[in-house]
Amino acid sequence: SQQGEEDPQALSIQEGENATMNCSYKTSINNLQWYRQNSGRGLVHLILIRSNEREKHSGRLRVTLDTSKKSSSLLITASRAADTASYFCAPYTGTASKLTFGTGTRLQVTL
Amino acid sequence: DGGITQSPKYLFRKEGQNVTLSCEQNLNHDAMYWYRQDPGQGLRLIYYSQIVNDFQKGDIAEGYSVSREKKESFPLTVTSAQKNPTAFYLCASSHPSSGNTIYFGEGSWLTVV
Repeated sequence: SQQGEEDPQALSIQEGENATMNCSYKTSINNLQWYRQNSGRGLVHLILIRSNEREKHSGRLRVTLDTSKKSSSLLITASRAADTASYFCAPYTGTASKLTFGTGTRLQVTL
Repeated sequence: DGGITQSPKYLFRKEGQNVTLSCEQNLNHDAMYWYRQDPGQGLRLIYYSQIVNDFQKGDIAEGYSVSREKKESFPLTVTSAQKNPTAFYLCASSHPSSGNTIYFGEGSWLTVV
C-alpha cells in the first residue's frame, strides 16, 4: 500500500471562493479516493476516481487525476462554512491492498 | 441503518490497565481496519483484517491487539504496553466490490489518566 501526500497542509478561504487541494502518490494505482473529516468525527467518503478516468464531478466537487504525474486534485467550488474540515486522499493499489492516509489538508472557510 | 458502530465514544483509562474498544459493522464487509489519529495529525494504521480469523499488523501495532472471530466484529485492545495511548481511534470497513471504499465509524476518544 502507499499513502498520498496532500498539499497544502492548511488552506483558509472565504465563503464563496473555490478551494483546491492536491495529492501526490508514488506507485501505480487502481483508483484514488478523497475523504472529508469534520473535527472529532469519522472520515466520510467523497469521491472515487479510477485510474482510467481523468476527471470526475460530484455536486460542487471536481476531482482530476493525472497518472503520468501521479497526482490528483480536489476542487470545491463556491465553498461554504460547512465545508470546513480536513480532506484526505487515499491511493488504492488493488485487491487486498489496504488504504493508508496522509496528514490531510485542513480547510477553513470563513464567512 | 447500515453502518459501523464504535463504542464507547469516550473512555478514560488508568495507566497500567488494558482497555478494549468495540467495533461492529452490519455492512457485510470482509475487511476491517483500526486507525489511530493524534490531534491535528493524519491517520495511522494499527491493524487490519481481510477475512474472519485473520488479521495483519499495520504501521503501529506495538501495544495493541485485535481479534476477528466474527465477520461483523473487530475489537481493539489497547494494552498497558502501549506507552502513549491517548488518541482518537477510528474503526473502518471496506469491500473490494466498491473499489475498496472505506466506511468509518464515529471514533472513540481514549484518554489515559
